Amino acid sequence: DVKVTQSSRYLVKRTGEKVFLECVQDMDHENMFWYRQDPGLGLRLIYFSYDVKMKEKGDIPEGYSVSREKKERFSLILESASTNQTSMYLCASSRRSGAKNIQYFGAGTRLSVL
Amino acid sequence: DQQVKQNSPSLSVQEGRISILNCDYTNSMFDYFLWYKKYPAEGPTFLISISSIKDKNEDGRFTVFLNKSAKHLSLHIVPSQPGDSAVYFCAASVVNDMRFGAGTRLTVKP
Repeated sequence: DVKVTQSSRYLVKRTGEKVFLECVQDMDHENMFWYRQDPGLGLRLIYFSYDVKMKEKGDIPEGYSVSREKKERFSLILESASTNQTSMYLCASSRRSGAKNIQYFGAGTRLSVL
Repeated sequence: DQQVKQNSPSLSVQEGRISILNCDYTNSMFDYFLWYKKYPAEGPTFLISISSIKDKNEDGRFTVFLNKSAKHLSLHIVPSQPGDSAVYFCAASVVNDMRFGAGTRLTVKP
């Protein structure tokens, strides 16, 4: 079974803090993704990476950055957390694009910025 | 712009009856469609998918129908069980681009 592990289930941070969300996958997947989930908006893509040290902006990259130094690990960074970044953050991974592009998700990190 | 829409935020059905969840998309380039199921405090898990070259895919109690001309897909669950109560996300993809709907919360009452 594919396993995608997010380091924290719940985080509470203060406005202006630098926040790191970590994600590790154990299936040697090339692609990794960061989404945020908000009520009524579904899953929105923040950033994705299709290889080590490669990254692409998703639909809502503002206020976020990412790092992928190793194939199995993809980090999401909030440089200066703001209250509008309070959300559920989901990490996912998938094989390099093919006919069946199934993404496998971690359990999510619920971040509250006060 | 929301390229994938699930217009019903919630659906309630009786155990044993059919659940039908609907999804519409706008981008005709999408070639692969998926349904994910999400329980509280867990990440979404893949449920069933369909390629754009097909119009139906069945897996046990779950069937996905695709109507390309209407840009519409639906998920049928028969018979519905209380354990099916979850949020269901529709997704559509082309290459590495996957778009998700806002989700439909299904409640199956015993």
